[in-house]
Amino acid sequence: SQKIEQNSEALNIQEGKTATLTCNYTNYSPAYLQWYRQDPGRGPVFLLLIRENEKEKRKERLKVTFDTTLKQSLFHITASQPADSATYLCAREYNNDMRFGAGTRLTVKP
Amino acid sequence: DAGITQSPRYKITETGRQVTLMCHQTWSHSYMFWYRQDLGHGLRLIYYSAAADITDKGEVPDGYVVSRSKTENFPLTLESATRSQTSVYFCASGVAGVGDTQYFGPGTRLTVL
Repeated sequence: SQKIEQNSEALNIQEGKTATLTCNYTNYSPAYLQWYRQDPGRGPVFLLLIRENEKEKRKERLKVTFDTTLKQSLFHITASQPADSATYLCAREYNNDMRFGAGTRLTVKP
Repeated sequence: DAGITQSPRYKITETGRQVTLMCHQTWSHSYMFWYRQDLGHGLRLIYYSAAADITDKGEVPDGYVVSRSKTENFPLTLESATRSQTSVYFCASGVAGVGDTQYFGPGTRLTVL
């Protein structure tokens, strides 16, 4: 089956450091992979989409990489702030079914 | 206001009852989706719709029914609710296919007693 896994349930870091979140998938490489942010009691919010022919994508302090050999995407938040504390989800499409990882809960401590 | 709304936000029902969750979007997006989110499972796709009158199953469709007579509405019905359907339900919409960017509603927390 097509699985998508986020390695860490939770990640705690100090303000100002870079947070790195990992997303691994099995079997077929998706054409693109997405990252979402979810705050408690709210719906996910789209952050970034990276295509299989893109090695890296950036948006402000966010950076996503996509390694089809390792079947992995890394999500980085540089100069992290307490306001970045949230759960981050990765997602991939497979056969007209969007599959989400269980999420990594990031806590940035001041 | 523009966007995607869900109602009710909270619902408590009993086993065996029929429940309908509503979803409305004002963007005229072609695609609409229903997900459930449970601890340990993340978001799982229940049904999606590519356009009015076109619906298709996702990963976990059993026990649910959808319809889409108008582009802007996509109700989800639990015909005979079970305790295992206690969950948070999210509706989403998107411009292009299933794998494209999705815009989520605020969610409905459903408890089946």
